[in-house]
Amino acid sequence: AQRVTQPEKLLSVFKGAPVELKCNYSYSGSPELFWYVQYSRQRLQLLLRHISRESIKGFTADLNKGETSFHLKKPFAQEEDSAMYYCALAKAQKLVFGQGTRLTINP
Amino acid sequence: GAGVSQSPSNKVTEKGKDVELRCDPISGHTALYWYRQSLGQGLEFLIYFQGNSAPDKSGLPSDRFSAERTGGSVSTLTIQRTQQEDSAVYLCASSPRGLAGVYYNEQFFGPGTRLTVL
Repeated sequence: AQRVTQPEKLLSVFKGAPVELKCNYSYSGSPELFWYVQYSRQRLQLLLRHISRESIKGFTADLNKGETSFHLKKPFAQEEDSAMYYCALAKAQKLVFGQGTRLTINP
Repeated sequence: GAGVSQSPSNKVTEKGKDVELRCDPISGHTALYWYRQSLGQGLEFLIYFQGNSAPDKSGLPSDRFSAERTGGSVSTLTIQRTQQEDSAVYLCASSPRGLAGVYYNEQFFGPGTRLTVL
């Protein structure tokens, strides 16, 4: 079955430190993966998708098919990065989400 | 332009009552999705519409849940005989089309309806 796992419910790092939010998936075909973010009192919004291979707000994510991972990384965390992050897999006509990781950046 | 809107923003109801949740997608978006965001459960897919038809209802948790879409626009999610476990935030999303070539269009989410069943 298609599944997305985010092993960390909570992650706390200091401002300026590197950040890595983990995401692992199981999928029998060629996966299309996304990271969505929800800032406090805002809507869920797309952060980045693997096919774009771009950096958004300093974040990058590389699809590793061998490890079935799509970890989200940023070299230097900023306070405004504090939010809820969801990894998602496109399956048929819907998104399968992980449980989410709440990232807190401490000053 | 206007984004996806949902109403009401909050709904408190008594166990056993029926509720209707509304979603207004972005104009011109043919694909519409309902998800449920529960504490500890993450985001669960409920149902997908392409136009007015729902080719995928696989996420609806029971026959108490139903949804319809009219005019290729507004959608209503109805929960009959609500139970306490139905308490959650119900999110609606729309996209220009479910599948564009081999890649997916971005889904744009509404603010959600927080449902509390007492």
